[in-house]
Amino acid sequence: NAGVTQTPKFQVLKTGQSMTLQCAQDMNHEYMSWYRQDPGMGLRLIHYSVGAGITDQGEVPNGYNVSRSTTEDFPLRLLSAAPSQTSVYFCASTPRGRQNTEAFFGQGTRLTVV
Amino acid sequence: QQQVKQSPQSLIVQKGGISIINCAYENTAFDYFPWYQQFPGKGPALLIAIRPDVSEKKEGRFTISFNKSAKQFSLHIMDSQPGDSATYFCAASPMDSSYKLIFGSGTRLLVRP
Repeated sequence: NAGVTQTPKFQVLKTGQSMTLQCAQDMNHEYMSWYRQDPGMGLRLIHYSVGAGITDQGEVPNGYNVSRSTTEDFPLRLLSAAPSQTSVYFCASTPRGRQNTEAFFGQGTRLTVV
Repeated sequence: QQQVKQSPQSLIVQKGGISIINCAYENTAFDYFPWYQQFPGKGPALLIAIRPDVSEKKEGRFTISFNKSAKQFSLHIMDSQPGDSATYFCAASPMDSSYKLIFGSGTRLLVRP
């Protein structure tokens, strides 16, 4: 199994440009999440989804949109990129379980906004 | 505000030594406390996790100690090896919500040969 696949691995954007970070999982996990990782701040939750058609905001949702039309895919959209969105972005998928279950992370997308 | 505080920011340990990383949390609704290990250029991967109904959990050389009354938990790496050199993150989430993790700021561990 591929697990959680993120594309692209690297991206440079100009301020004001838009783009979509792709995330796909092949483990049939119910839950998916997007995090951003910045130096000295750990990972912060941007948006998450508890199933197809259901999304909600995390700690730092401003400037980002998400949708979940299928169980497998959870794209993250930047509508108008800003330098403050320069970061490493991680997608994670988590199976539904009776108790807390492990979140599996992708390899990340390193985004630079100039 | 930072809901999960992690220290130290960086740690250097000699091979064979004990590495200790500490975390403290604020929210009493947190019910799940995992530790993630991250190597450069990779995504975080679950190392070990604990729930507050136990005070300690051990898996191989890795042990979590949990103090519910103090709202603190720590990771101990026994017999640290150069291959353990990585960044470690503590995290927390409410019950049955491990898709909404709150992470600490991370500790960069270097184990010298």
